[in-house]
Amino acid sequence: GESVGLHLPTLSVQEGDNSIINCAYSNSASDYFIWYKQESGKGPQFIIDIRSNMDKRQGQRVTVLLNKTVKHLSLQIAATQPGDSAVYFCAESTGSTDKLIFGTGTRLQVFP
Amino acid sequence: ETGVTQTPRHLVMGMTNKKSLKCEQHLGHNAMYWYKQSAKKPLELMFVYNFKEQTENNSVPSRFSPECPNSSHLFLHLHTLQPEDSALYLCASSQGRTSGREQFFGPGTRLTVL
Repeated sequence: GESVGLHLPTLSVQEGDNSIINCAYSNSASDYFIWYKQESGKGPQFIIDIRSNMDKRQGQRVTVLLNKTVKHLSLQIAATQPGDSAVYFCAESTGSTDKLIFGTGTRLQVFP
Repeated sequence: ETGVTQTPRHLVMGMTNKKSLKCEQHLGHNAMYWYKQSAKKPLELMFVYNFKEQTENNSVPSRFSPECPNSSHLFLHLHTLQPEDSALYLCASSQGRTSGREQFFGPGTRLTVL
């Protein structure tokens, strides 16, 4: 059989609660950050991005916070819904490249 | 068709077979990417193309051969693969670093190597 797969941290939240997913990045020169959502059987889907000249950006029900001092990124989802259940990835990039460097991901489980 | 499409969605092949994965983007983007996503590792960048030119090869074995005939199409030619190459292969596109670094992903090709 297959060997054990990658262990993803899991966040379990109740429907209607707020969710906070955290991400630590490695490169202090990174100036662009992005969050993706990946549902089972699908490719990653863009949620929200932020540039390093900002520390907060809001979208529809989502907020991204950037703390460059400690190289930390977070995604806040308000009023979490069952449809939010997925794996969430953060990624970082520097201005000199087209590459996105992805984190390992966090699985969000929403229960009723 | 809109966004990024990939064919086939599922592929089963033997180690001696030759097959190709196809990706097409309908977004007018200039950069295209191949990623490998397996159960054992995070999303791994394989290749990057900008304006049809390969700008990144992330130490990918030669049994994977990319081809980018134009800015809208990207292929990944596969030959003599190993069972550990079984994974989800994702294609993405973006406008490029000067215009926008957000990458748009296709649904992926689930590859199984027997």
